[in-house]
Amino acid sequence: NAGVTQTPKFRILKIGQSMTLQCTQDMNHNYMYWYRQDPGMGLKLIYYSVGAGITDKGEVPNGYNVSRSTTEDFPLRLELAAPSQTSVYFCASSSRAPNQPQHFGDGTRLSIL
Amino acid sequence: AQKVTQAQTEISVVEKEDVTLDCVYETRDTTYYLFWYKQPPSGELVFLIRRNSFDEQNEISGRYSWNFQKSTSSFNFTITASQVVDSAVYFCALSEFNTDKLIFGTGTRLQVFP
Repeated sequence: NAGVTQTPKFRILKIGQSMTLQCTQDMNHNYMYWYRQDPGMGLKLIYYSVGAGITDKGEVPNGYNVSRSTTEDFPLRLELAAPSQTSVYFCASSSRAPNQPQHFGDGTRLSIL
Repeated sequence: AQKVTQAQTEISVVEKEDVTLDCVYETRDTTYYLFWYKQPPSGELVFLIRRNSFDEQNEISGRYSWNFQKSTSSFNFTITASQVVDSAVYFCALSEFNTDKLIFGTGTRLQVFP
């Protein structure tokens, strides 16, 4: 059982480049989330989705975009990479029932140079 | 506003010692959920426990136990007879009812030395 799968695991970008972080889950979860984790900090919510076709901003959405065309996939797009976006990015999913535990992927370590 | 405070940035213990990780939260809701997650050196986040605001019973799972006290807005986590494999960053998190958005504390790094 794969759970939540994130690709790539590591990436180095130049300032101004764009890229998409992929996230897919095989648990048929309705809810999906993107977080970023900066050194010494907790995770901060970037965007979330409660189902296909529905997305909403979290605490730190600036500089990112998401889409949710299927239940399984929730990609995160960086359009113009900036050094402040250097971070570890985690995707998570949870079932429809309220306040269920979120299941996390292994993370993507992104460096912007 | 919601907030989770983990005042202990880093704790070091020797194997077999007991250790308690503190978590204090703020919320205006009467219904909310509290969580603990473990992040080992490999980096993934592992769910440990979920507790709702109406259930103040302490919970024990093997060497792990959790003490929830609404009167002090605390949800502390104790590891009994710590082991080297317990070395990790531990996060406490809060979500208000039906929001499903987790508010994380800044984490406590636990180092257990042999």
